[in-house]
Amino acid sequence: QKEVEQNSGPLSVPEGAIASLNCTYSDRGSQSFFWYRQYSGKSPELIMSIYSNGDKEDGRFTAQLNKASQYVSLLIRDSQPSDSATYLCAVNPGAGNNRKLIWGLGTSLAVNP
Amino acid sequence: DGGITQSPKYLFRKEGQNVTLSCEQNLNHDAMYWYRQDPGQGLRLIYYSQIVNDFQKGDIAEGYSVSREKKESFPLTVTSAQKNPTAFYLCASSRTGGRNSGNTIYFGEGSWLTVV
Repeated sequence: QKEVEQNSGPLSVPEGAIASLNCTYSDRGSQSFFWYRQYSGKSPELIMSIYSNGDKEDGRFTAQLNKASQYVSLLIRDSQPSDSATYLCAVNPGAGNNRKLIWGLGTSLAVNP
Repeated sequence: DGGITQSPKYLFRKEGQNVTLSCEQNLNHDAMYWYRQDPGQGLRLIYYSQIVNDFQKGDIAEGYSVSREKKESFPLTVTSAQKNPTAFYLCASSRTGGRNSGNTIYFGEGSWLTVV
């Protein structure tokens, strides 16, 4: 069974620090990778998508993909209390059709002032 | 503004009732989805639709029904056959296509359904 695994946390970091969130996946042929942020009681919102090995940066966020090791990570620089949320990793083992999108259970992040 | 609108935000259902959750998108996306989220279980796919007048069961379709008569609309009916419907329901949409072609899923604000 194809799986996406995340450490449930909570991950606690001080304000201004780097938060590192990790996600591993079982299907070596996976094509697309997504990070979503979900505040308590709200719907998930996209932070970043990544498709190729390496790093992808967007503001304070950096996604890192290593297909050989089957992990994707999200780094949050200069963490702010407003970053406190659950971060969901999603992996699409195929191309295009999101029917097969597999979701992790999420990592809870707490940024302490 | 472009987006996905779900209504109602909060809904209470009595035992034996059917209820319908509305989902409308103006993103011109072909694909639409319904997910259910329960604490500790993550997102589970109920139904999805790639084109108008066609939809497919997801992983937990029993007790649910959908229609896709218009590209913009994908309502979900929670029937009385769904024995544990209390959950957070998320409608989503995306373009269709291959990798790197913008197949990212975007979510509506969600609907909370509670059985009373």
